[in-house]
Amino acid sequence: DAGVTQSPTHLIKTRGQHVTLRCSPISGHKSVSWYQQVLGQGPQFIFQYYEKEERGRGNFPDRFSARQFPNYSSELNVNALLLGDSALYLCASSLGRGAVSSNQPQHFGDGTRLSIL
Amino acid sequence: AQKVTQAQTEISVVEKEDVTLDCVYETRDTTYYLFWYKQPPSGELVFLIRRNSFDEQNEISGRYSWNFQKSTSSFNFTITASQVVDSAVYFCALSVMDTGRRALTFGSGTRLQVQP
Repeated sequence: DAGVTQSPTHLIKTRGQHVTLRCSPISGHKSVSWYQQVLGQGPQFIFQYYEKEERGRGNFPDRFSARQFPNYSSELNVNALLLGDSALYLCASSLGRGAVSSNQPQHFGDGTRLSIL
Repeated sequence: AQKVTQAQTEISVVEKEDVTLDCVYETRDTTYYLFWYKQPPSGELVFLIRRNSFDEQNEISGRYSWNFQKSTSSFNFTITASQVVDSAVYFCALSVMDTGRRALTFGSGTRLQVQP
């Protein structure tokens, strides 16, 4: 079975542009989370979606938005890019049966490495 | 608020040595879950283990073992007879039963280098 897939793998943008990152969860997983990992740090939680609804949001500005589609895939959008947005963006999926459960192990994709020039 | 501290930024050992990675967590919740993830150079986070706050039993899986002690809020990870393939960044993470925010709080990671 395929794991979590993310696209693109690498992306270079300039300040002020916007970007859309995509994620396909493991088959059968209904919960998708997004994390930002700046070089040398641990991942920071951005969003969690379950059944197309936002179920959690981290301390990120409104320039960051996301959505989940009926097939449980997800997009992360970032507007008005800043140099500080350069990072590895990780998507994770989990089963999330019924209500989203915090004890479910999250399975991560390889990430999208975003560089802002 | 939750916090995870991994005080060891980088550890270097020689192959076959045992190594322990420390993790200290903070939370006011009584129900929580602790995780360890491995991040090889490729970038993918690989799930290693999950423990819940009610189960302090230590766990062993092959060369890996975990020591969970609520009294010291620690969840340490030991690799026995380390191998070069163990070289990676290891993250400890915490999640709580918070209806408003179900997310992993990660530590800053420990980079383990195993020299041949």
